[in-house]
Amino acid sequence: QQQVKQSPQSLIVQKGGIPIINCAYENTAFDYFPWYQQFPGKGPALLIAIRPDVSEKKEGRFTISFNKSAKQFSLHIMDSQPGDSATYFCAASNAGTASKLTFGTGTRLQVTL
Amino acid sequence: DTAVSQTPKYLVTQMGNDKSIKCEQNLGHDTMYWYKQDSKKFLKIMFSYNNKELIINETVPNRFSPKSPDKAHLNLHINSLELGDSAVYFCASRSLGGANVLTFGAGSRLTVL
Repeated sequence: QQQVKQSPQSLIVQKGGIPIINCAYENTAFDYFPWYQQFPGKGPALLIAIRPDVSEKKEGRFTISFNKSAKQFSLHIMDSQPGDSATYFCAASNAGTASKLTFGTGTRLQVTL
Repeated sequence: DTAVSQTPKYLVTQMGNDKSIKCEQNLGHDTMYWYKQDSKKFLKIMFSYNNKELIINETVPNRFSPKSPDKAHLNLHINSLELGDSAVYFCASRSLGGANVLTFGAGSRLTVL
């Protein structure tokens, strides 16, 4: 059972474009929603995260939009650059010692010149 | 000064063999994880240890046995390797009490022939 659904599977945008990656979750106990960025041959690294008490969080060119009632959240990359080409994973977790991050299926982003 | 280091980075072996992957973190974190990333890039949690105690054990075949000699180390031993075990295995760690921010290693690519 996929608790965090992510789309699209892959995305190609031109430099300067605004790719948008969407995620939906089912478990209402989730209270932490991070996005991870993974470059080829590397481990995932935290990019930006949000808690459900806010509807938007911005860090540099990266913005998370969060819709608690719809149980959806999305990542927007403003003024995308070729260096942003990577695989992006949304994730969700609840609180507690034994909490675990449940990842979405990943979106492979390619930013062309 | 690598934060989470895994060895080996690449492992090629025959079906039926036994192999181990080692992980060490120098972040002073309390909790460590093993994740498996398959060929479709899907990241799935396998195990988690908090200060040497097993706290998460997903439905993983018992051919997989994690061992944590101390809170800075989490090793993964795999018996009787099968073709389906081919994947990239990521070790990760996080600090208890903080947000569920995972720091990942660079991964260990296991190929079973």
